[in-house]
Amino acid sequence: QVQLQESGSQLLKPSQTLSLTCAVSGVSIDGGAYSWSWFRQPPGQALEYIGNIYDSGITDYNPSLRSRVTIAVDKSKDQFSLVLTSVRAADTALYYCTRGAQSISGYSFFDHWGQGALVTVSS
Amino acid sequence: DILMTQSPSSLSASIGDRVTITCRASQTINTYLNWYQHKVGKAPKVLIYGASFLQSGVPSRFSGSGSGTDFTLTISSLQPEDFATYSCQQSYSTPYTFGQGTRLE
Repeated sequence: QVQLQESGSQLLKPSQTLSLTCAVSGVSIDGGAYSWSWFRQPPGQALEYIGNIYDSGITDYNPSLRSRVTIAVDKSKDQFSLVLTSVRAADTALYYCTRGAQSISGYSFFDHWGQGALVTVSS
Repeated sequence: DILMTQSPSSLSASIGDRVTITCRASQTINTYLNWYQHKVGKAPKVLIYGASFLQSGVPSRFSGSGSGTDFTLTISSLQPEDFATYSCQQSYSTPYTFGQGTRLE
């Protein structure tokens, strides 16, 4: 059974760095054919795509966050990470890690999600 | 970015009801549209991908349709466990974008 679990919730001050990890169990993160992604949901708002790392190691980031975000995979630990620098109040959100899959017909979707980690940015 | 607009934002329904939620994209996305179910404190769950394909393990009372810019999610006979928030997501291009959600209550 595939499970994803984000590391714990965080309280940060403006300008600090957000670091989250996502532990993957039930499947090897190096198994290929999947991507590993981060999303977030600010209070009362829609889910927002942060970025993606493909099994090739290629990353894709939301242009609105690209200058501040890094996603990386640690294959030895079956986990992947999110680093967001210079956080501000607008970065307050529930952060989700997900696995991206692709159907035989070529459709991409996110088939496994963590339960989310709350990140609060406040002075 | 592609803007996804859902309606209604909330919906009051009863057990056994047929429920339809709509999602509109700001530009054509072919059939690159997914539907998710969200419950507080639980991991979101994909229900439909490619606009109409039922994800493995999802009950057949859920169905999706549409192409281009207009899509629908239908629950044929509402069950108690279906009270949740539903959102659409386009996978046509990155950055992937979601609708704001429809709360079923």
